[in-house]
Amino acid sequence: DTGVSQDPRHKITKRGQNVTFRCDPISEHNRLYWYRQTLGQGPEFLTYFQNEAQLEKSRLLSDRFSAERPKGSFSTLEIQRTEQGDSAMYLCASSLVQGYNEQFFGPGTRLTVL
Amino acid sequence: GDSVTQMEGPVTLSEEAFLTINCTYTATGYPSLFWYVQYPGEGLQLLLKATKADDKGSNKGFEATYRKETTSFHLEKGSVQVSDSAVYFCAGGYKLTFGKGTLLTVNP
Repeated sequence: DTGVSQDPRHKITKRGQNVTFRCDPISEHNRLYWYRQTLGQGPEFLTYFQNEAQLEKSRLLSDRFSAERPKGSFSTLEIQRTEQGDSAMYLCASSLVQGYNEQFFGPGTRLTVL
Repeated sequence: GDSVTQMEGPVTLSEEAFLTINCTYTATGYPSLFWYVQYPGEGLQLLLKATKADDKGSNKGFEATYRKETTSFHLEKGSVQVSDSAVYFCAGGYKLTFGKGTLLTVNP
């Protein structure tokens, strides 16, 4: 399978702990995006990379959130000092720079903060 | 910023009924527009796209036309099946702005 993969699929943590999620994009895709989706809502944009450069961050992305994409391949999203309000599905997508920005999504990581 | 107004559900139809889910997109310019579908227990899948105004996207019997005058991108299908039961999202732009989603249930 050459689609977008995410790990872990589920994460349960206690408030105040740090968590890290990983995303592996489709191999030839040079853009990678992170979104957050809460129950009953559409996904909301968090940040995106073109190769290894982080080009844009949403104001939704507080200082407790950090994302990296070393070497322009996989990406990690870290949340420090988690809060209950961080509970959501975290989605990763990838696309080519060329073309019409068709983004292909991974299965998501469901985070539950107790 | 960009915004998407999508018809709220839930929508319940009988098999072979006609489907319309309304979507209006507001943005600077005319970005590419998309419909994504999320089947129960699965991730988001791209259903169809339109890359410019007056373009028509189609896939699996679904169609949507990007109407420049009304900035609308309504999803239609002439005859729905039980297997079409899912949540449908309208989205657009380079950093996708999504609607809230419409839950469709098709009964046999």
